[in-house]
Amino acid sequence: DAGVTQSPTHLIKTRGQHVTLRCSPISGHKSVSWYQQVLGQGPQFIFQYYEKEERGRGNFPDRFSARQFPNYSSELNVNALLLGDSALYLCASSPREGATYEQYFGPGTRLTVT
Amino acid sequence: AQSVSQHNHHVILSEAASLELGCNYSYGGTVNLFWYVQYPGQHLQLLLKYFSGDPLVKGIKGFEAEFIKSKFSFNLRKPSVQWSDTAEYFCAVNAQAAGNKLTFGGGTRVLVKP
Repeated sequence: DAGVTQSPTHLIKTRGQHVTLRCSPISGHKSVSWYQQVLGQGPQFIFQYYEKEERGRGNFPDRFSARQFPNYSSELNVNALLLGDSALYLCASSPREGATYEQYFGPGTRLTVT
Repeated sequence: AQSVSQHNHHVILSEAASLELGCNYSYGGTVNLFWYVQYPGQHLQLLLKYFSGDPLVKGIKGFEAEFIKSKFSFNLRKPSVQWSDTAEYFCAVNAQAAGNKLTFGGGTRVLVKP
């Protein structure tokens, strides 16, 4: 079975630009969560989506947004990029809603903002 | 706001040594607790979890963790490590009142020397 997939693997953007990151969950999983992992730190929760609805949001500015599609794949959008947005962005899927279920992580997208 | 502290950033051990990684969290209500591991070149994966019941939880690969509510701690242990346990270990907490938010600690890099 395929695991969680994310695209692209790496991305370089300039300050002020916009970026879209994509995630495909494990087949049958209806929940997708997004995390930001800055070098040397643990992942920080950004969003959780379940059945196309936002079910949780971390302490991130409104420049960060996401959505989930009918096939349960998801996009994370970041507007007006700042240098501090440089990080590894992780997507995780789980069968159902909630942080209590095991989350299966993808390999991440490495975003560099110059 | 909930927070998670992992006391050691780096640990170096020899094979067959015992391992204990500390994890403390700040939230006083009902919590769900997790340890995730990231082996070199691999995705984050669940090592073990605690929701309720026996505070001594056993996970994969011989790892166990003990939930001590009075100390707000969830320390990870392994009696005898192997070279293959070289990885980064993350403690994570979901406070039930915080909904679907999963909060990670900063991680501990463990190097096991053969």
